[in-house]
Amino acid sequence: DVKVTQSSRYLVKRTGEKVFLECVQDMDHENMFWYRQDPGLGLRLIYFSYDVKMKEKGDIPEGYSVSREKKERFSLILESASTNQTSMYLCASSPRLRTAGNTIYFGEGSWLTVV
Amino acid sequence: AQKVTQAQTEISVVEKEDVTLDCVYETRDTTYYLFWYKQPPSGELVFLIRRNSFDEQNEISGRYSWNFQKSTSSFNFTITASQVVDSAVYFCALRTVELIQGAQKLVFGQGTRLTINP
Repeated sequence: DVKVTQSSRYLVKRTGEKVFLECVQDMDHENMFWYRQDPGLGLRLIYFSYDVKMKEKGDIPEGYSVSREKKERFSLILESASTNQTSMYLCASSPRLRTAGNTIYFGEGSWLTVV
Repeated sequence: AQKVTQAQTEISVVEKEDVTLDCVYETRDTTYYLFWYKQPPSGELVFLIRRNSFDEQNEISGRYSWNFQKSTSSFNFTITASQVVDSAVYFCALRTVELIQGAQKLVFGQGTRLTINP
C-alpha cells in the first residue's frame, strides 16, 4: 500500500518559533510536495521537490523553506512562525510522470496552530 | 493560467438522495488531466478518479459517476443513493502536462463539504 506519513498531526507553536514539519514516503517516489489547505481556498502548493536536494517554489512559498536530503523525506520549515501560517499542511508524493502513473498520494495532514 | 472552481461550498442532503458536485475548470492547454479527491474527517486525501482531456466518456464506479464535458469545461461528480459514509470534503483538481523538472503540478478547487444526514 502507498504510504505518505506526516510525523505530527497536531502542533501548537508560538509566534517567532522555528517549526519543522516532516514527511516520509515509502514508495520510492521522485516527486514530493507540500500543500497548505485553508477554508474557501482549497489546497495551494507551497514547494515541491523533484529529486534529492532539488526544490522548486510553488504558488505561495513566502515564509517557508524546504529540505530534501534523502529521497524518502521532505521537510517543510517555517523559519519564524506567524499567526497567518495557522493552517493544515498536506504532504504528497508521486512518481516521475514519464515512468509511472500520474496519481499524487497524500498524507493525513498536519494541523498547525500558531499562537 | 489554470483555475478550478467548485462553486458549492457546502451541500447537505438526506441519506439515499442523489447529489451532484460541480467542477468548472480553466486552462489553455489542449492536453490536461482532471481529478477528484475525497477528504474524510481523518484528513488524508483519497484519490477517486483521473480523466484525461481526450477521453470524454463518462465513467461509473458503483454509486459514483463522473460527467466530463469539454464544451462547458466541467467535470461533475454524482453520488447516487448517498450514504452517511460519503460525508467528506471533495476536491476537484486540474493537472496540465507542462512538466516542471518532471514533476506535475495540481491546481485544486476550493472544495465542497458534503454532509449526508441519516
